[in-house]
Amino acid sequence: GAGVSQSPRYKVAKRGQDVALRCDPISGHVSLFWYQQALGQGPEFLTYFQNEAQLDKSGLPSDRFFAERPEGSVSTLKIQRTQQEDSAVYLCASSRFTSLYNSPLHFGNGTRLTVT
Amino acid sequence: DAKTTQPNSMESNEEEPVHLPCNHSTISGTDYIHWYRQLPSQGPEYVIHGLTSNVNNRMASLAIAEDRKSSTLILHRATLRDAAVYYCILIDAGGTSYGKLTFGQGTILTVHP
Repeated sequence: GAGVSQSPRYKVAKRGQDVALRCDPISGHVSLFWYQQALGQGPEFLTYFQNEAQLDKSGLPSDRFFAERPEGSVSTLKIQRTQQEDSAVYLCASSRFTSLYNSPLHFGNGTRLTVT
Repeated sequence: DAKTTQPNSMESNEEEPVHLPCNHSTISGTDYIHWYRQLPSQGPEYVIHGLTSNVNNRMASLAIAEDRKSSTLILHRATLRDAAVYYCILIDAGGTSYGKLTFGQGTILTVHP
């Protein structure tokens, strides 16, 4: 079946440009997460949505990062005025349930952002 | 949050069993033990999870120590496709937390043909 889809797969941006990364979760999944993964590191939590509500944005590194999920399905992660330290793979994940302790999280293959 | 400790890397030969250890000495009674793996250029993939009893599924087995301070992910016959970074993660079922995953460095598994 269809998994979590992310686009674009690769994005190159010049420093100072704005970028928008899209995530299509599995249909019907309530929970949606964004993670950032630097080269050679484990993924780090950015933000969490339950349907259209953004319940946790404690991991967003600065106010240049903004995420939305207006209709409770597709989500967009926007980064304004990109900087070189924003270069990373951005992963989106979704789950059918609101609690993860007893259910799996399904990840997309990520968007690799390179800021030059 | 309770932390996990894993070896940085392990090696195995194809078609041999692999035992990937994880220490979680500060685990609480409501922490579930989850394993994810990440193949090169892909997002993490759920492998298995458990609370107290050993668990088996089509991908792997999870052996949990009686005191729950450690666990072992067992791949019964490693294939080249099992080469990945393996993450051991604790998720708390208590309280009101939705249980976000906190990834550590994981174990890099190399499988030799």
